[in-house]
Amino acid sequence: AQTVTQSQPEMSVQEAETVTLSCTYDTSENNYYLFWYKQPPSRQMILVIRQEAYKQQNATENRFSVNFQKAAKSFSLKISDSQLGDTAMYFCAFMFTGNQFYFGTGTSLTVIP
Amino acid sequence: GAVVSQHPSWVICKSGTSVKIECRSLDFQATTMFWYRQFPKQSLMLMATSNEGSKATYEQGVEKDKFLINHASLTLSTLTVTSAHPEDSSFYICSARDPEGATNEKLFFGSGTQLSVL
Repeated sequence: AQTVTQSQPEMSVQEAETVTLSCTYDTSENNYYLFWYKQPPSRQMILVIRQEAYKQQNATENRFSVNFQKAAKSFSLKISDSQLGDTAMYFCAFMFTGNQFYFGTGTSLTVIP
Repeated sequence: GAVVSQHPSWVICKSGTSVKIECRSLDFQATTMFWYRQFPKQSLMLMATSNEGSKATYEQGVEKDKFLINHASLTLSTLTVTSAHPEDSSFYICSARDPEGATNEKLFFGSGTQLSVL
């Protein structure tokens, strides 16, 4: 069975500072994908970043980057230069090829002005 | 990028009535769509996988007679909440993958439907 764990239900960060959201997962699969999705108050799910498990290089999208540790089954999200618009729920998600997504329990991030 | 349209965005109904929610892939053909339910401040819970031209696959604990799913075309899946009761009040989200897309492992989400049963 696949599980995704986010151990931080709530976090806050000062505007312009950096914050890291944690995610661990458990799987016996070798080929899979990991994602971070953002859900702002509008509740629209927005893809933030994606990582292929076969790639050793950590994915980066502008202010968002991940620290992917495959052996440790860890997939954390770093948000640099936090902005007020980053306030949202963040969900870590896991998918192995051709199958469904598994979502973590979410981390509520508040950016403080 | 791929777009998934979900309608209505919110609905209020009386207890005992049925409500239909539509999920459309606007610029790609989705052989598989997914229906999620989300309670306030909680994660997305997969309810069922909707397969075009065949019966949906329901997750354990989800009543298939209560939540009817129809995927009659490659671009449309519907979720009907039958004989809705207040405990069915929730936020329902659909999603789909573009199997032909360059990044077909990505999920594209509808904007969700808030159902309130009085």
